[in-house]
Amino acid sequence: EVQLVESGGGLVQPGRSLKLSCAASGFTFSNYYMAWVRQAPKKGLEWVATISTSGSRTYYPDSVKGRFTISRDNAKSSLYLQMNSLKSEDTATYYCARQNNIGTTDYFDYWGQGVMVTVSS
Amino acid sequence: DIQMTQSPASLSASLGETVTIECRASEDIYNGLAWYQQKPGKSPQLLIYNANSLHTGVPSRFSGSGSGTQYSLKINSLQSEDVASYFCQQYYNYPPTFGGGTKLELK
Repeated sequence: EVQLVESGGGLVQPGRSLKLSCAASGFTFSNYYMAWVRQAPKKGLEWVATISTSGSRTYYPDSVKGRFTISRDNAKSSLYLQMNSLKSEDTATYYCARQNNIGTTDYFDYWGQGVMVTVSS
Repeated sequence: DIQMTQSPASLSASLGETVTIECRASEDIYNGLAWYQQKPGKSPQLLIYNANSLHTGVPSRFSGSGSGTQYSLKINSLQSEDVASYFCQQYYNYPPTFGGGTKLELK
């Protein structure tokens, strides 16, 4: 059974940093592109970052480019999201998601339970 | 970026009814479309991919159709467990983008 379990969320002040983690199990982690998708309270879904199988390629929307960094440790079957210079508009539930196929974009076939990040002074 | 527009934003239906949710893309996405279900307080779950392929374990009362810029999700014989928000997502073009969602409630 595919499982994705996020951790590391919490309350953080604007301008500070936070690092999210996602522990994967039930599949060969190193064979899949992985992503982070967020959802602001009562809002829709927004793709945040994608990383290739080896970690050599990463992709971001303009809204987080230069502030967020996605990374992975295939030996630990773990995905990470380093978030710097956080803004109030980054407040959201962050989901770790498995991308179905390799490539810059595809659908997300499994999702974690999500972790809440609140950016507020 | 490709814009995805869902309609309606909210929907109220009775048990056993057939429900249809629409999703329109700002340009042709060549069936690169997925549908997700998100139950209250839960994470999104994949229902449909490639516009009309059912994901593993999804009940057959769910179906997807469409082409070009117009797509739809149909739920036959609505069940109480189908109360949720539904989102479409295009993945034909980078970056992947989502529709605004449709909240389905029981009448």
